[in-house]
Amino acid sequence: DAKTTQPTSMDCAEGRAANLPCNHSTISGNEYVYWYRQIHSQGPQYIIHGLKNNETNEMASLIITEDRKSSTLILPHATLRDTAVYYCIVRRSTGFQKLVFGTGTRLLVSP
Amino acid sequence: DTAVSQTPKYLVTQMGNDKSIKCEQNLGHDTMYWYKQDSKKFLKIMFSYNNKELIINETVPNRFSPKSPDKAHLNLHINSLELGDSAVYFCASSQERHSTDTQYFGPGTRLTVL
Repeated sequence: DAKTTQPTSMDCAEGRAANLPCNHSTISGNEYVYWYRQIHSQGPQYIIHGLKNNETNEMASLIITEDRKSSTLILPHATLRDTAVYYCIVRRSTGFQKLVFGTGTRLLVSP
Repeated sequence: DTAVSQTPKYLVTQMGNDKSIKCEQNLGHDTMYWYKQDSKKFLKIMFSYNNKELIINETVPNRFSPKSPDKAHLNLHINSLELGDSAVYFCASSQERHSTDTQYFGPGTRLTVL
């Protein structure tokens, strides 16, 4: 599985967009970018995933660069409940693939 | 309705004891996992079962023995507990036939070995 690099921490004001970057320069053609988050004392929660097109769901948007070497998770209107550690993970979408969690980005949303 | 549930939520025990953590999923998934999150917050896969068959074993000490009585359950039994086993253990499940292969996690079991 390709490795990912994320900033250790980020701050965001409540109501503003939170843009969380992730570098995955060694990503392979058949590997997807997944985002999970872990709110304090809870299990990780799936957010979104994508291959090469930008994706949007009810939780967030995922922007993947054309060369697929980096991506950005966007929380359009961050709330206090979005304070969590956000993990960017690269893996194939099929087969028995484990999730390899890095250190993630600790996002703090403040009033 | 809880999708992935674990019992107990907290477990405090003495070194050398044997304990079990239970996991159940009601999502109809065919694959289940156990992850360990240590005190430094690193989250690592331990085991994975697909249709009751072990498919991932990440060099975990053989004191840890997963047991899958059916597709909806994956229990973790730990023998001769050691101080270093103190961690939060998360169970997860997914449906391997689907391309999204999203893993759903349980709330975790915090194990403290004294």
